[in-house]
Amino acid sequence: RKEVEQDPGPFNVPEGATVAFNCTYSNSASQSFFWYRQDCRKEPKLLMSVYSSGNEDGRFTAQLNRASQYISLLIRDSKLSDSATYLCVDFGGGKLIFGQGTELSVKP
Amino acid sequence: DADVTQTPRNRITKTGKRIMLECSQTKGHDRMYWYRQDPGLGLRLIYYSFDVKDINKGEISDGYSVSRQAQAKFSLSLESAIPNQTALYFCATSGNVGASGSQSLYNEQFFGPGTRLTVL
Repeated sequence: RKEVEQDPGPFNVPEGATVAFNCTYSNSASQSFFWYRQDCRKEPKLLMSVYSSGNEDGRFTAQLNRASQYISLLIRDSKLSDSATYLCVDFGGGKLIFGQGTELSVKP
Repeated sequence: DADVTQTPRNRITKTGKRIMLECSQTKGHDRMYWYRQDPGLGLRLIYYSFDVKDINKGEISDGYSVSRQAQAKFSLSLESAIPNQTALYFCATSGNVGASGSQSLYNEQFFGPGTRLTVL
């Protein structure tokens, strides 16, 4: 079993839609999680951290469910510019462990 | 100018050749990392270094070596390239002090633009 697993997609949604991605992790001792965004053929960039209480940044909401060992990212009112690959990341043992990424394509 | 640079950006080479990928950063960070990315597999850690005298193997270090020549430079070498090393390679850096000013457990990693390596 991979340490961090994501549905690779692609998720094809119209502008304005709400879309949610889930990610599962295998290390029950992991404490810190993140979402990175990667545009096609470019470097990943930090999108947001994931806190136990959940956190929101504009149209983006991240949630952590420790009992079920999954992390979610919700994007509301999707924009064309949200099209990218979203990487779920577990910060374990001082290193980042990446999921394979979920591709999102927002269409006009 | 970019804070984290990688050279070359693209490289095509043949099986058995020695290849060096270079990474430089102007962020003043102590920590540097090398990852490879393959379709469907996400990013995997090859080597990392927390300071000039510190080198650690990552998840997939076999077939690779690194050199931390200075705080700002971290090179990745493929001593004898093979086709399954064809991938997108990223260098990343992070500081040893968190955004809050404290020594936090996690520090955001900043990635270079990547090197696309093809081994024929």
